[in-house]
Amino acid sequence: AQSVTQPDIHITVSEGASLELRCNYSYGATPYLFWYVQSPGQGLQLLLKYFSGDTLVQGIKGFEAEFKRSQSSFNLRKPSVHWSDAAEYFCAVGAYSSASKIIFGSGTRLSIRP
Amino acid sequence: SQTIHQWPATLVQPVGSPLSLECTVEGTSNPNLYWYRQAAGRGLQLLFYSVGIGQISSEVPQNLSASRPQDRQFILSSKKLLLSDSGFYLCAWTGPTGAKQPQHFGDGTRLSIL
Repeated sequence: AQSVTQPDIHITVSEGASLELRCNYSYGATPYLFWYVQSPGQGLQLLLKYFSGDTLVQGIKGFEAEFKRSQSSFNLRKPSVHWSDAAEYFCAVGAYSSASKIIFGSGTRLSIRP
Repeated sequence: SQTIHQWPATLVQPVGSPLSLECTVEGTSNPNLYWYRQAAGRGLQLLFYSVGIGQISSEVPQNLSASRPQDRQFILSSKKLLLSDSGFYLCAWTGPTGAKQPQHFGDGTRLSIL
């Protein structure tokens, strides 16, 4: 069965600084990978997804993520964060063998230091 | 375009009372539907998913149940609520191919049990 680990519960970065949020997955084949963002009290919004092909994927709001099969990782990056990026970020993995289920990580809360 | 509606937005219920949360999707047919619970400061726990009318898969044993009486309607219920049922409940849908597609979330229901 697939699983997702987000090792950082809470990260604080200064506005304008670069950001990297870590995500490690466990699955025997090529997974379907997603990053979502959640503002307080709201649902989740898709930032980007990876299915196959180019391992560097671009998303909305200036985010990108890189799939590294050798490290079983799909880390989210942004070169310069804005105060509006403060939110909860979730990595998720879907599996071809499980036609319907997507498993979410426990999330990383991002705070922005002015 | 597709939309997902979830209601109510907030709900305060006494312990032992029944529960009914409703989710409907518009603009698509034969979606996969999901119910998640998000406890305070924690990730998303998949509760139920459905690939078709009357087809419900339960992920976690609990006193909650789900039903799908129509193609685009998904209902989360309980006969007697527990304190531990408090949380943020999210409904989501994907296209019929499920795990390969991103999930689209409703705005959630904040459930408080007194």
